[in-house]
Amino acid sequence: QKEVEQDPGPLSVPEGAIVSLNCTYSNSAFQYFMWYRQYSRKGPELLMYTYSSGNKEDGRFTAQVDKSSKYISLFIRDSQPSDSATYLCAMSARSSNTGKLIFGQGTTLQVKP
Amino acid sequence: DGGITQSPKYLFRKEGQNVTLSCEQNLNHDAMYWYRQDPGQGLRLIYYSQIVNDFQKGDIAEGYSVSREKKESFPLTVTSAQKNPTAFYLCASSIPAGGADTQYFGPGTRLTVL
Repeated sequence: QKEVEQDPGPLSVPEGAIVSLNCTYSNSAFQYFMWYRQYSRKGPELLMYTYSSGNKEDGRFTAQVDKSSKYISLFIRDSQPSDSATYLCAMSARSSNTGKLIFGQGTTLQVKP
Repeated sequence: DGGITQSPKYLFRKEGQNVTLSCEQNLNHDAMYWYRQDPGQGLRLIYYSQIVNDFQKGDIAEGYSVSREKKESFPLTVTSAQKNPTAFYLCASSIPAGGADTQYFGPGTRLTVL
């Protein structure tokens, strides 16, 4: 079993829809949770960063962490065709100098005009 | 502009050749990382370095080598011992932010074995 599981999709939605992207994990020591967006043939860019449980909102994006269920989500409101990309969740267990992140497989999202 | 640069963007390798991928950052980050990305497998850590002249193996280091002679540079050599090197290679760097190391990525190098 992988430490982080993420449905690879693809997920196809109409423009304006609310999108929900999810990851589950098995390591209860994970405390830091991130979402990256990766456009085709580009490097990932950091979208959201969350510590421990709770919600964090940034514009149309909301990151949610439920440590009791070992489940994290990224919600995209009013989705746009420009949101079409692969979304990677990532997490780490400690804030030490190792900085090692564990990534999910990534979910490919397509937003249709 | 601060950022991470990787070169070349595309690289072709013949069987039995070693090739070196360049990664440079001007963000003044201490830590640097190399990942490999294959379709459907996410990112896998090859090597990482927390400080100049020091580096550690990641999860899939076999067939790869690195050096960290300067803070700004972390080149990756894909050796002939790597049996399946065709992949997208990503370099990242980090500085602790808010208690965790937030990693920033370069644009990647796509390596293809001919």
